[in-house]
Amino acid sequence: DQQVKQNSPSLSVQEGRISILNCDYTNSMFDYFLWYKKYPAEGPTFLISISSIKDKNEDGRFTVFLNKSAKHLSLHIVPSQPGDSAVYFCAAIGSGYALNFGKGTSLLVTP
Amino acid sequence: SQTIHQWPATLVQPVGSPLSLECTVEGTSNPNLYWYRQAAGRGLQLLFYSVGIGQISSEVPQNLSASRPQDRQFILSSKKLLLSDSGFYLCAWSSQGAPNEKLFFGSGTQLSVL
Repeated sequence: DQQVKQNSPSLSVQEGRISILNCDYTNSMFDYFLWYKKYPAEGPTFLISISSIKDKNEDGRFTVFLNKSAKHLSLHIVPSQPGDSAVYFCAAIGSGYALNFGKGTSLLVTP
Repeated sequence: SQTIHQWPATLVQPVGSPLSLECTVEGTSNPNLYWYRQAAGRGLQLLFYSVGIGQISSEVPQNLSASRPQDRQFILSSKKLLLSDSGFYLCAWSSQGAPNEKLFFGSGTQLSVL
C-alpha cells in the first residue's frame, strides 16, 4: 500500500516560472519528510527536508511546505531552470528504518 | 568523505540465470545499508535493509536475497531471475542511529531480464 503519493507523474514549466510539486501521505506517524532529485541512469540525490515541527523550510531556490492537518507537502522551485529537469521523489519516515518513497514526478523545464 | 560504489552499471541477463549485484561503502563505519528497486512506472521500492553484519530485513517477498558479509559490503542476489526482476536497482547507506533519514544512493544498476 502506497503511503506516500505523488499523483502527478509529470509536470512541464517554463524557465523562470515557479514549479510546484505535490506529495500526499497517509501515515500520521511520519515525522520527517524529504525530497530527492534523480537524473536518468543515476541514483537519487538529497535535495531538501523538513521536520514535522516545521511548516516551511527554504534552501536557495527550493522551498518545502508541510501541511500536517492535510497530510500534504509541496516543493516549490523558484525560478525554475532547465537544469532542474529531473524526476523528483517525495519521501517520508516515521519510526521505521527506511524511507517510504512516492512514485516520483518528472519535471521538465523548457527554455 | 563517504562514497558508495555500486556495480555493474548495466546488466542484461536471461530468465532463469543467477544474479549478483555488489555495493560497497567507504569512509564510514557500521552504516545502515539498503537495496531499492525502481521498476518501470513505479517509485522506489525498498527491498532489503541491514543494520549490521549478517542482519538482513526483507520488505518484499520475492526471489531475491541480500547478504552483508562485511560491515560496508552489501550484496543482492538471485538464484533464478524472472522477467519481473527487471528494473533499476539502487544501493544506499545512512548513518547508524537517529536521525537516519538521509540516504545516500549509489549510481544504480539497470537490470534487463530477457
